[in-house]
Amino acid sequence: NAGVMQNPRHLVRRRGQEARLRCSPMKGHSHVYWYRQLPEEGLKFMVYLQKENIIDESGMPKERFSAEFPKEGPSILRIQQVVRGDSAAYFCASSSGTSGSTDTQYFGPGTRLTVL
Amino acid sequence: AQKITQTQPGMFVQEKEAVTLDCTYDTSDPSYGLFWYKQPSSGEMIFLIYQGSYDQQNATEGRYSLNFQKARKSANLVISASQLGDSAMYFCAMREGHSGGSNYKLTFGKGTLLTVNP
Repeated sequence: NAGVMQNPRHLVRRRGQEARLRCSPMKGHSHVYWYRQLPEEGLKFMVYLQKENIIDESGMPKERFSAEFPKEGPSILRIQQVVRGDSAAYFCASSSGTSGSTDTQYFGPGTRLTVL
Repeated sequence: AQKITQTQPGMFVQEKEAVTLDCTYDTSDPSYGLFWYKQPSSGEMIFLIYQGSYDQQNATEGRYSLNFQKARKSANLVISASQLGDSAMYFCAMREGHSGGSNYKLTFGKGTLLTVNP
């Protein structure tokens, strides 16, 4: 399956712990996006990365959240000192970076984070 | 102001009938793309169809078609011959162009829950 891979699918953390969410983009894609979906809501953009570069992190909370997409390996979304309000589904998407508006983003299955 | 508005929280349709899911959008950018995604109860987001702002024809993909009315800023999804497996949340999303660079950020509506009845 050459689709976007995310793991873990479900993650349970206690308040104050760290959460690490991983995303491997679709084969041939070098652009990665992270979105968060709160219950009963649509997805909200968090961050856009290319290999070794954060292009836009305007949707990411200023504290406790960070993201990276290293030269080798998956993209990581890291949440430090989690709080109950961080409980959500976190989706990763990837695209090939085609210029113009036809650059479709394909989504992974998501990671459901539950903070106890 | 909401950039993407989906006014139908829930819709019901009989199997084999057609259904239209509404989406209106708000942008002042002449270059934009409109997307529809399906989210079944299992949770994944599945890309369905894309419409570019400069496309002359309405997009179609199998049983999915997009009724694009640019002057009204609407991009309604039409599903023909509904199947039980079509029961899911459907999200409309927009990507706006940015002058001097590539557009990329998707803005989503709140979704419409479609239930297909046998």
